[in-house]
Amino acid sequence: DGGITQSPKYLFRKEGQNVTLSCEQNLNHDAMYWYRQDPGQGLRLIYYSQIVNDFQKGDIAEGYSVSREKKESFPLTVTSAQKNPTAFYLCASTGSGHEQYFGPGTRLTVT
Amino acid sequence: GEDVEQSLFLSVREGDSSVINCTYTDSSSTYLYWYKQEPGAGLQLLTYIFSNMDMKQDQRLTVLLNKKDKHLSLRIADTQTGDSAIYFCAESKESSYKLIFGSGTRLLVRP
Repeated sequence: DGGITQSPKYLFRKEGQNVTLSCEQNLNHDAMYWYRQDPGQGLRLIYYSQIVNDFQKGDIAEGYSVSREKKESFPLTVTSAQKNPTAFYLCASTGSGHEQYFGPGTRLTVT
Repeated sequence: GEDVEQSLFLSVREGDSSVINCTYTDSSSTYLYWYKQEPGAGLQLLTYIFSNMDMKQDQRLTVLLNKKDKHLSLRIADTQTGDSAIYFCAESKESSYKLIFGSGTRLLVRP
């Protein structure tokens, strides 16, 4: 079964801790993306990567970091510098076409 | 500038047609998309239209594009309770992987 997996579905952390969200795809897609979604709002782009070992900041990259060591994996770290980390985080990928396909999301709650 | 706007809420009776509207400001948009999001889930790509097209039909879904007015609509025929969800409009340019999302329209289908 091809697709995008994100784990865990729910994540709870204390303020001041870094946390890493996982995103894996077995679609052989080159490009991968991280979005943040807040209640009643659309998605905002955090980081994206068009190829292994390369990534670019999106619109709201402050307080986040990523790596792209393997084509299949694009983990997102939410650092303690992110002022409002509680949100729903969505990972997506694109292959040779233009359509972006999304994973099921991780809901992060920081208290 | 880049901005995508949608109305917040739409309520219809089961069996009626639903029309969800979207306006965008970037006239250089290449593709326009409709995504569906069910509660607590990721985004599901429903359909998209290339900017040189006026209409696209896919089973119960009809997308209309008025490029002059920068207006996009999604019509769902014979709306079912399973269609209740949030619908997002998004635009992109061919030169960019970036998607710009509206804030979503919550569709409620009443039995």
